[in-house]
Amino acid sequence: DAGVTQSPTHLIKTRGQHVTLRCSPISGHKSVSWYQQVLGQGPQFIFQYYEKEERGRGNFPDRFSARQFPNYSSELNVNALLLGDSALYLCASSTPTGNTEAFFGQGTRLTVV
Amino acid sequence: GESVGLHLPTLSVQEGDNSIINCAYSNSASDYFIWYKQESGKGPQFIIDIRSNMDKRQGQRVTVLLNKTVKHLSLQIAATQPGDSAVYFCAENLSGSARQLTFGSGTQLTVLP
Repeated sequence: DAGVTQSPTHLIKTRGQHVTLRCSPISGHKSVSWYQQVLGQGPQFIFQYYEKEERGRGNFPDRFSARQFPNYSSELNVNALLLGDSALYLCASSTPTGNTEAFFGQGTRLTVV
Repeated sequence: GESVGLHLPTLSVQEGDNSIINCAYSNSASDYFIWYKQESGKGPQFIIDIRSNMDKRQGQRVTVLLNKTVKHLSLQIAATQPGDSAVYFCAENLSGSARQLTFGSGTQLTVLP
């Protein structure tokens, strides 16, 4: 079975631009969460989506938004990019009930110049 | 704010020795804890989890200990191997779900030949 897949793997953007990151969860997983990992730090929670609804939001500005589609894939959007948005963006999926383990994708490395 | 933190940023051990990685958490309401391993360029990989109603859980070559009295978590790796070299994160969750995790900053484990 395919794991959590994220695209693109690497991305370079200029300050002020917009970026869209994509995530496909493991088949059967309806919950998707997004994390930002700055170099040398642990991942920071951004959003959680379950059944296409936002279920949780971390301490991130409104420039960050996300959505989940009927097939449970998800997009993370970041507007007006800042240099400080450079990070590894991780997507994690989990089952809706029972096993609460979260499986992470390989991440998208975003560099803002 | 409350957060999960780690005592040591780096740990070096000889191949074959046992490794112990420590973690302090500050939110007494946390009821679910996970250890993740992250290799360079990859997403976090689940190692083992433990709920707050337990004080010890064992997996293959790994043991997690939870001391709620002092709010301390540890990961023990038996017979450490070169493939164990990575950054290890502890993470906590309040709701008992793995979907909105708070991560610590990580410990870099280096296995020496």
